[in-house]
Amino acid sequence: GAVVSQHPSWVICKSGTSVKIECRSLDFQATTMFWYRQFPKQSLMLMATSNEGSKATYEQGVEKDKFLINHASLTLSTLTVTSAHPEDSSFYICSASEYEQYFGPGTRLTVT
Amino acid sequence: QQQVKQSPQSLIVQKGGISIINCAYENTAFDYFPWYQQFPGKGPALLIAIRPDVSEKKEGRFTISFNKSAKQFSLHIMDSQPGDSATYFCAAGPFSSGSARQLTFGSGTQLTVLP
Repeated sequence: GAVVSQHPSWVICKSGTSVKIECRSLDFQATTMFWYRQFPKQSLMLMATSNEGSKATYEQGVEKDKFLINHASLTLSTLTVTSAHPEDSSFYICSASEYEQYFGPGTRLTVT
Repeated sequence: QQQVKQSPQSLIVQKGGISIINCAYENTAFDYFPWYQQFPGKGPALLIAIRPDVSEKKEGRFTISFNKSAKQFSLHIMDSQPGDSATYFCAAGPFSSGSARQLTFGSGTQLTVLP
């Protein structure tokens, strides 16, 4: 299957700072990538759809000014959590489709 | 309209037994139904997926059964092994332009296979 990577795998930051998470499709080009958020022992919730060369589409209730998404190339999408607060602590996972949808390994964000 | 209901929430099976997880969807526009396996601290890994043109798909010990009229699909894990112990998520979404699009996930099933 296709391989999707994420960096970093975990990050700890202080409240008020911004954090950038990268998502890469390693062996295929992805015009669309997806960003999910997962709380402990809960399901995945779609945050936004990232489209290469255009603005991301955010799901209802997701603050687009807080969760900035950039999809600058066919293999890279980034999620920036701006002015992070402890309630933003979560597991963030990206995915990309090459016929099937494949997920990255996730990024554990802890805001202190 | 967008919900995917998954059951059971947890499942305990003896080694060698059959694990069965069920999902139901509401949106008739959904035409892509994957199952993912997730271990703690890891991203979901695609196990098997089905499109509505077939009623069953088998890959190794994993089988998806699909009932379009009932809007239900299920995952069967044959000869369950302790290494299968994980959380399983069903998902559903549209399939267009040659690839899967936004997915709606079920709530997950915590499977424990006893040795």
